[in-house]
Amino acid sequence: GAGVSQSPRYKVAKRGQDVALRCDPISGHVSLFWYQQALGQGPEFLTYFQNEAQLDKSGLPSDRFFAERPEGSVSTLKIQRTQQEDSAVYLCASSLGGGENEFFGPGTRLTVL
Amino acid sequence: LAKTTQPISMDSYEGQEVNITCSHNNIATNDYITWYQQFPSQGPRFIIQGYKTKVTNEVASLFIPADRKSSTLSLPRVSLSDTAVYYCLVVTNTGGFKTIFGAGTRLFVKA
Repeated sequence: GAGVSQSPRYKVAKRGQDVALRCDPISGHVSLFWYQQALGQGPEFLTYFQNEAQLDKSGLPSDRFFAERPEGSVSTLKIQRTQQEDSAVYLCASSLGGGENEFFGPGTRLTVL
Repeated sequence: LAKTTQPISMDSYEGQEVNITCSHNNIATNDYITWYQQFPSQGPRFIIQGYKTKVTNEVASLFIPADRKSSTLSLPRVSLSDTAVYYCLVVTNTGGFKTIFGAGTRLFVKA
């Protein structure tokens, strides 16, 4: 389909490993968002891109988290030296522009052992 | 961004109308109200968005009073498949922004 896709859908990492989560937004969508969702909680904002520019990264919990969108389309969220508290679902969303409704992907469930 | 407050959970029966009210006392002039629905193991899905008065689409209606300090999502004749978490958000379109989700309202629809 033409929706937002994320890969992998599930990722198990050993504590201390680096992981990379991929998001393919809807073609033509300018804005891209990453969220972290813990079990039973609402999604928490991590970072926001407008094209390739990362306009807001205030939600990234530590310097172990890094996101990029080098060509203004596909985005990667990288987590270095994973910790158990990083276990969560990582959601990606895209929209036509700022303030437009967001289309979410299915998420990547990360489990850190 | 304006903080939102909504009930933690609600129960309903199939065929009933469900109204979920959200408070957003600090909403600003440029803000508008958006509702999302989330099923387990899926990302949130946009339901409806509005600025004032009433908005209706094929899924729901959104009622916003004149002071805009609250809004009510109305789901007509719910079915079991409407069991989900519903999030109320206040979004500011200033070119650079972040979307703040609360804990949402867990709606349980019973047969």
